[in-house]
Amino acid sequence: KNQVEQSPQSLIILEGKNCTLQCNYTVSPFSNLRWYKQDTGRGPVSLTIMTFSENTKSNGRYTATLDADTKQSSLHITASQLSDSASYICVVSALRGANNLFFGTGTRLTVIP
Amino acid sequence: DTGVSQNPRHKITKRGQNVTFRCDPISEHNRLYWYRQTLGQGPEFLTYFQNEAQLEKSRLLSDRFSAERPKGSFSTLEIQRTEQGDSAMYLCASSWGHDDTEAFFGQGTRLTVV
Repeated sequence: KNQVEQSPQSLIILEGKNCTLQCNYTVSPFSNLRWYKQDTGRGPVSLTIMTFSENTKSNGRYTATLDADTKQSSLHITASQLSDSASYICVVSALRGANNLFFGTGTRLTVIP
Repeated sequence: DTGVSQNPRHKITKRGQNVTFRCDPISEHNRLYWYRQTLGQGPEFLTYFQNEAQLEKSRLLSDRFSAERPKGSFSTLEIQRTEQGDSAMYLCASSWGHDDTEAFFGQGTRLTVV
């Protein structure tokens, strides 16, 4: 069964601190993995996308890693800012099928001053 | 192009009424998806269009739900005889071509059934 699991479910950190969010998946055959940021009441916005051959990708203070062997990904946020408070959703694409996008339930990050 | 546009942003309706949402995808995106998202959960797939053809529907899409994309551009999602359990955020996304292209999401329509 194609599944995407994220941890932790929620996280509270102090402004300026770093944090790491986890994503484990069982989606097969794997096409790519994306991390989205979703502000409250808004649609998800893509942060990074990684294919099978990519181990790491950065977007400013966001760095995503992918281990295709263990089917794990992480999103590391450096020097957090208040505006980082949002839900972060891991989305894994399968190579086949119309419904080929599988979503995690997200990690709710709250950055406090 | 300003991205995927959804209207209305918010809709409050009484139980039993019908509602219709509209999604305008990014120009020339041939793929269009509808998702439903409840509080604290990730988006759940509802249906998918490639051009004007509705290629897949989730079991979540009961017979009270219908979606169309008549000219392969904008899409509408209609819910008939709304129930309180239909209260959710309805997200539309579009993409172009191959499986590894990014799906762009709209801002969503927040439905509240009272």
